[in-house]
Amino acid sequence: AQTVTQSQPEMSVQEAETVTLSCTYDTSESDYYLFWYKQPPSRQMILVIRQEAYKQQNATENRFSVNFQKAAKSFSLKISDSQLGDAAMYFCAYRSAQGGSEKLVFGKGTKLTVNP
Amino acid sequence: DSGVTQTPKHLITATGQRVTLRCSPRSGDLSVYWYQQSLDQGLQFLIQYYNGEERAKGNILERFSAQQFPDLHSELNLSSLELGDSALYFCASSVGAGSYTGELFFGEGSRLTVL
Repeated sequence: AQTVTQSQPEMSVQEAETVTLSCTYDTSESDYYLFWYKQPPSRQMILVIRQEAYKQQNATENRFSVNFQKAAKSFSLKISDSQLGDAAMYFCAYRSAQGGSEKLVFGKGTKLTVNP
Repeated sequence: DSGVTQTPKHLITATGQRVTLRCSPRSGDLSVYWYQQSLDQGLQFLIQYYNGEERAKGNILERFSAQQFPDLHSELNLSSLELGDSALYFCASSVGAGSYTGELFFGEGSRLTVL
């Protein structure tokens, strides 16, 4: 079974600075999707960014970018120019692309604090 | 707004009781997923339905059951409730089997407190 590990339970960053959240995963599959979801205090799960494993180019969405290292099974999230509204729990998630269920497997999350 | 609707938002009940959580997926989505998020934990996958049929099952307790109705809404039934069942229960939906984007769209969750 696939597993997702987020080794940083908590991180903090100064407003306008850059922070990187780590995620590693374990799988024997070659084709899959990876995601970062944000859960603010409102508890809504919001998709931040998505990466398809077959794409070598790292995904970017405005201030959010990933460093996808397929061989190392690593998928880190970089937040540039951090804003107070970025404060939230961030969850890394894995989804197989090889048929069967489309469920997401989540890590335990990283709580990000943004200091003014 | 993700388009996924969950009711109720909050629920307080006693041990031994039974509750039903309801989920309406986004318009056009055929798959519904249920997740449990306990305090300081990630999201644990419970079960997935696709177009009325069970498609995948996670670590769902025997005291819990779910179904998806012909109109595609889903219900999660939790019975013989225990203190440890207190959690945030999320419903999510997606287009369906093999959806290209892979992402799930989440509702706002139902907060269950068992006293």
